[in-house]
Amino acid sequence: DSGVTQTPKHLITATGQRVTLRCSPRSGDLSVYWYQQSLDQGLQFLIQYYNGEERAKGNILERFSAQQFPDLHSELNLSSLELGDSALYFCASSVGRGLPYEQYFGPGTRLTVT
Amino acid sequence: DQQVKQNSPSLSVQEGRISILNCDYTNSMFDYFLWYKKYPAEGPTFLISISSIKDKNEDGRFTVFLNKSAKHLSLHIVPSQPGDSAVYFCAAANFQGAQKLVFGQGTRLTINP
Repeated sequence: DSGVTQTPKHLITATGQRVTLRCSPRSGDLSVYWYQQSLDQGLQFLIQYYNGEERAKGNILERFSAQQFPDLHSELNLSSLELGDSALYFCASSVGRGLPYEQYFGPGTRLTVT
Repeated sequence: DQQVKQNSPSLSVQEGRISILNCDYTNSMFDYFLWYKKYPAEGPTFLISISSIKDKNEDGRFTVFLNKSAKHLSLHIVPSQPGDSAVYFCAAANFQGAQKLVFGQGTRLTINP
């Protein structure tokens, strides 16, 4: 158990809909990262938050957005969903500044868009 | 543009022998490298890491070697155990810049009894 929790574990929804994925980081970690794993793309970085502020952005679509709240949990919002958004979405956390640099991953949310 | 590459999609090793997983990278700005292990339906689990100022890091049965001139790293598992069967991901980061991890495509390791 990494200490990172993600809900829900599975999500099935229709095209055009909007969903919210939730992540709680490990105790003491200030940084949260979101990654997408699809069959043909491997693990791709989406976005990072550090202590409530956006720190880095990867290949995140404009239809996707995220935020980190004062209690440090984070939410990833996916809207106008398309079939191609079906994937595993992982949240990871780390201390966020200096060593150690390791990121610890949650169990993931499997999103299926039908 | 695949900045981190694991060229072997799969590897099969006999129990008790050494498993060697390889990873190549192209971005010379990477200064930290990590290995993760992943079981089906679970998130990646951190195994071991190495800073670019070192060439070797060891933790129990796991050793990571870094060859900066060749832009190559490898993970050695000795001795291999059946529980080591999983997908292994190599990841790299530039911690002077964004701290995102760039992952390879993974190598599926199977340990045969």
